[in-house]
Amino acid sequence: GDSVTQMEGPVTLSEEAFLTINCTYTATGYPSLFWYVQYPGEGLQLLLKATKADDKGSNKGFEATYRKETTSFHLEKGSVQVSDSAVYFCALVSGGYQKVTFGTGTKLQVIP
Amino acid sequence: DTAVSQTPKYLVTQMGNDKSIKCEQNLGHDTMYWYKQDSKKFLKIMFSYNNKELIINETVPNRFSPKSPDKAHLNLHINSLELGDSAVYFCASSQDEVQQETQYFGPGTRLLVL
Repeated sequence: GDSVTQMEGPVTLSEEAFLTINCTYTATGYPSLFWYVQYPGEGLQLLLKATKADDKGSNKGFEATYRKETTSFHLEKGSVQVSDSAVYFCALVSGGYQKVTFGTGTKLQVIP
Repeated sequence: DTAVSQTPKYLVTQMGNDKSIKCEQNLGHDTMYWYKQDSKKFLKIMFSYNNKELIINETVPNRFSPKSPDKAHLNLHINSLELGDSAVYFCASSQDEVQQETQYFGPGTRLLVL
């Protein structure tokens, strides 16, 4: 079955540091890939997505590139802010229907 | 305007009780979902409805019964609540069920079973 593996957190960074959160997947066919973010006490919201190989999703300074050869979708940001502190979920959808498979989430804490 | 709303936000109840959680979306979407997030933040889909018809039904105890009176609403009824049902339940919606679509999540309902 489909699966998503994320690096375990928590990840603690100083403000303005470079962020990478690794995400790899296994799936049948050609999945769509997503990063969702969950701020404390809130629901998830889409951060970015990519629907085919070599696509790059980007939003709010975050980027991720769909790498089919390495089955990866790593999240990066060049300079994190305190307001980026949240839990980040990598997710995929395959097989046509919207059955989302989420990773376990990575908690990011950015300290001033 | 809230896109996906859930009520109640918090629910504390005794084991064995029956409770319902309501969800409404005003985005005009065709597909709605229920997810369960456990204490370790692990998120798992429970149900999915498209135009009031069930399309995903994961391995969920039959004490959980979703009801979709119209495509803007998907309610979750839980019978005979157990301690293990304590979690945060999220409702979500998407334009349709194709895999490229973004899902929009509600704020969650924090259920605590005592």
